[in-house]
Amino acid sequence: AQKVTQAQTEISVVEKEDVTLDCVYETRDTTYYLFWYKQPPSGELVFLIRRNSFDEQNEISGRYSWNFQKSTSSFNFTITASQVVDSAVYFCALSATDTGRRALTFGSGTRLQVQP
Amino acid sequence: NAGVTQTPKFQVLKTGQSMTLQCAQDMNHEYMSWYRQDPGMGLRLIHYSVGAGITDQGEVPNGYNVSRSTTEDFPLRLLSAAPSQTSVYFCASSSGLVIEQFFGPGTRLTVL
Repeated sequence: AQKVTQAQTEISVVEKEDVTLDCVYETRDTTYYLFWYKQPPSGELVFLIRRNSFDEQNEISGRYSWNFQKSTSSFNFTITASQVVDSAVYFCALSATDTGRRALTFGSGTRLQVQP
Repeated sequence: NAGVTQTPKFQVLKTGQSMTLQCAQDMNHEYMSWYRQDPGMGLRLIHYSVGAGITDQGEVPNGYNVSRSTTEDFPLRLLSAAPSQTSVYFCASSSGLVIEQFFGPGTRLTVL
């Protein structure tokens, strides 16, 4: 069985602060994918990034960066110089693919509030 | 491309009523799934399909039926609505080439 834990329920920061969202996962599969999705107040789910279990290279995309560490089963997400528009619920998700199943296991989400 | 579409956007049902939530995608994706989102619990998988004619249960399938007669459509049927089914329902699709799932805009369902 897969499990994703987002221990931070809610984070509040002031604009321009850096913020890191934590994600810890559990799976016995050797091949899996990790994702981050953003859910703004409007309610839609927006795909942000995907990482597979064989690619531990960390990535920076503009103000976003991701830190994948297999040794600690973590896939953390950092927003640099946060902005009010970053206010949303962020979900970490896992898709374990050894069985061919594509289903996502979601964490419970972290609500980020960026104050002006 | 319209991507993943869901209808209706909002629905109010009385306990015991049945209804079908519609989901369609125009990306020729073979994989489709239904999730429900409840406050503080993230999204949980209800049913999924790996292709036309093939469906399987997810984490919380009780009270729901699905079928997949075409690649494009994946309707979710509530057989006898219960207040515990009050939730936001999301449909998603993906293909073998694009691992990430694309989500529809969601259906907010209230069962009184």
